[in-house]
Amino acid sequence: QKEVEQNSGPLSVPEGAIASLNCTYSDRGSQSFFWYRQYSGKSPELIMSIYSNGDKEDGRFTAQLNKASQYVSLLIRDSQPSDSATYLCAVSSGSARQLTFGSGTQLTVLP
Amino acid sequence: GAGVSQSPSNKVTEKGKDVELRCDPISGHTALYWYRQSLGQGLEFLIYFQGNSAPDKSGLPSDRFSAERTGGSVSTLTIQRTQQEDSAVYLCASSLNGPGSTDTQYFGPGTRLTVL
Repeated sequence: QKEVEQNSGPLSVPEGAIASLNCTYSDRGSQSFFWYRQYSGKSPELIMSIYSNGDKEDGRFTAQLNKASQYVSLLIRDSQPSDSATYLCAVSSGSARQLTFGSGTQLTVLP
Repeated sequence: GAGVSQSPSNKVTEKGKDVELRCDPISGHTALYWYRQSLGQGLEFLIYFQGNSAPDKSGLPSDRFSAERTGGSVSTLTIQRTQQEDSAVYLCASSLNGPGSTDTQYFGPGTRLTVL
């Protein structure tokens, strides 16, 4: 059973702070790792993808991958109220490369 | 360009009826996925199509669920004899999945199914 675990939250941070979201996965054969953002009542929206160990930065977002520890994280710098959403960690593996999702972390950025 | 589209956006049906949900992937994307998101189960994989190959049905929860993809493009997910536990948001995603490409999946807006 492939599992993806996220810190349960909810997580609240003040505006301008750094939000840190964490995720672990069980399948060592996993190949690709994604962070999706989901606003209430909307579908998941891709924020970041990462494929190799290390950091990947895109604007205010940084994804970190450590395959040895089976750990993925997302840092959001200078958090804004518009970042308030549920963040889903997703891991792709197998021949179909279907995504296995974590249960999500609900982030609230307080003005 | 256009993203993944799904129809209908909302569907209310009575227990025991059949429903069809439609997905139109991003043009040129060879891979198409169906997922289901419900309060108790989170987001779970249902079925995968790659081009004209036989689909991977490993995520389908019962034989009441089936899907087809015509001409390697539009897909229809059919649920027969719907049950109340089928109530969920059904999400379609597509990815390029060609040689040398990434497997990033882009999601449609979803169909919210309510079984009364």
